[in-house]
Amino acid sequence: DIQMTQSPSSLSASVGDRVTLSCRASQSISTFLNWYQQKPGKAPKLLIYGASTLQSGVPSRFSGSGSGTDFTLTISSLQPEDFATYYCQQSFINHQTFGQGTKVDVK
Amino acid sequence: QLQLQESGPGLVKPSETLSLSCSVSGDSISSSSYYWGWIRQPPGKGLEWIASMYYTGTTYYNPSLKSRVTVSVDTSTNLFSLKLRSVTAADTAMYYCASETGSYYGWWGQGKLVTVSS
Repeated sequence: DIQMTQSPSSLSASVGDRVTLSCRASQSISTFLNWYQQKPGKAPKLLIYGASTLQSGVPSRFSGSGSGTDFTLTISSLQPEDFATYYCQQSFINHQTFGQGTKVDVK
Repeated sequence: QLQLQESGPGLVKPSETLSLSCSVSGDSISSSSYYWGWIRQPPGKGLEWIASMYYTGTTYYNPSLKSRVTVSVDTSTNLFSLKLRSVTAADTAMYYCASETGSYYGWWGQGKLVTVSS
């Protein structure tokens, strides 16, 4: 199986900060990498698919980059509603896997 | 837009079978656009993919759960289902159904919390 490792596990930030989250795959997955946001008590919400394509309706302050094994989710200016946990997911092979998540909380 | 809704018992005894259904509205479960997936999340932990299936019956399972899991689709009722056999406390989780389009999960149900306890 392909292992997905996210870093950091958690980070503290302030409104307005630029935030960068990382996701690394144990082998090359091309750009078959998706990012989800999850708030407490809610289902995950798709933010970015194909490593860099913004899902419809998602604010443009979110962006994704990377290919192969190293990927990044960037929030250009953190907003109050962005405090949440973020998961990456590889869909390169039919046995999909998620990263363990990065929790973004208030500094 | 799609809407998905999980249903089933919220409490299952150890060694028994967990059975959940996911009702799909907004499109046909036989649409060529989607795979249908199950994902779970133990309390306070991360997401774990369980299985995905196409309406034709093509199915993919998490290798760590494959021996205990069966998923199926009922095109007549626009439902797809999950069965997880021989459950233990480690299977206590929020179970989500979701639609997969182009290798990503765009639509999710609200989740169903299933507790395994005697």
